[in-house]
Amino acid sequence: QQQVKQSPQSLIVQKGGISIINCAYENTAFDYFPWYQQFPGKGPALLIAIRPDVSEKKEGRFTISFNKSAKQFSLHIMDSQPGDSATYFCAASTKSNTGKLIFGQGTTLQVKP
Amino acid sequence: NAGVTQTPKFQVLKTGQSMTLQCAQDMNHEYMSWYRQDPGMGLRLIHYSVGAGITDQGEVPNGYNVSRSTTEDFPLRLLSAAPSQTSVYFCASSDSGTRVYEQYFGPGTRLTVT
Repeated sequence: QQQVKQSPQSLIVQKGGISIINCAYENTAFDYFPWYQQFPGKGPALLIAIRPDVSEKKEGRFTISFNKSAKQFSLHIMDSQPGDSATYFCAASTKSNTGKLIFGQGTTLQVKP
Repeated sequence: NAGVTQTPKFQVLKTGQSMTLQCAQDMNHEYMSWYRQDPGMGLRLIHYSVGAGITDQGEVPNGYNVSRSTTEDFPLRLLSAAPSQTSVYFCASSDSGTRVYEQYFGPGTRLTVT
């Protein structure tokens, strides 16, 4: 049973466009929602994260939007660049999970020049 | 700091063979985890540890064994390799304090079981 569902599986965006990746979760006990970025041949790295007491968090060109009532959150990449081409994973965790993360299925983003 | 290191980078095993994937971290993190990554499945937790001598099962523990005798090392053992264990394996670590959710991943081990 996938507790965190991510879509789309793949995404192609033109340079300068907006990339949007969506995630939905089921467990209302989740209290931390990070996004990880993974380049080919590398391990994932934390990109940005949000807690459910805020509806939006922005870091540079990356923004997380969070809808607690709908149990959904999304990653927006503004002014997408070819260097953003990577696989993106959303994840969720709870305090009682001692930091263990439940990951979504991943989205492969390609930004065309 | 080297961060999280994993060896080997690539490995090919025959069905039934056993092996150990090595993981080490030099950040003095208490928490360490093993994940496997399969296409369309994301990363799934195999085993995790909250400190030396303490381990527990994750989502997909069958066929794997772990131990944690030191803070730095967290090896993953495949007891009798099966083709279903063909995957990319990632080790991760995190602090036990306020940044417990920020996991640092190693570069991965790509395992093929024939």
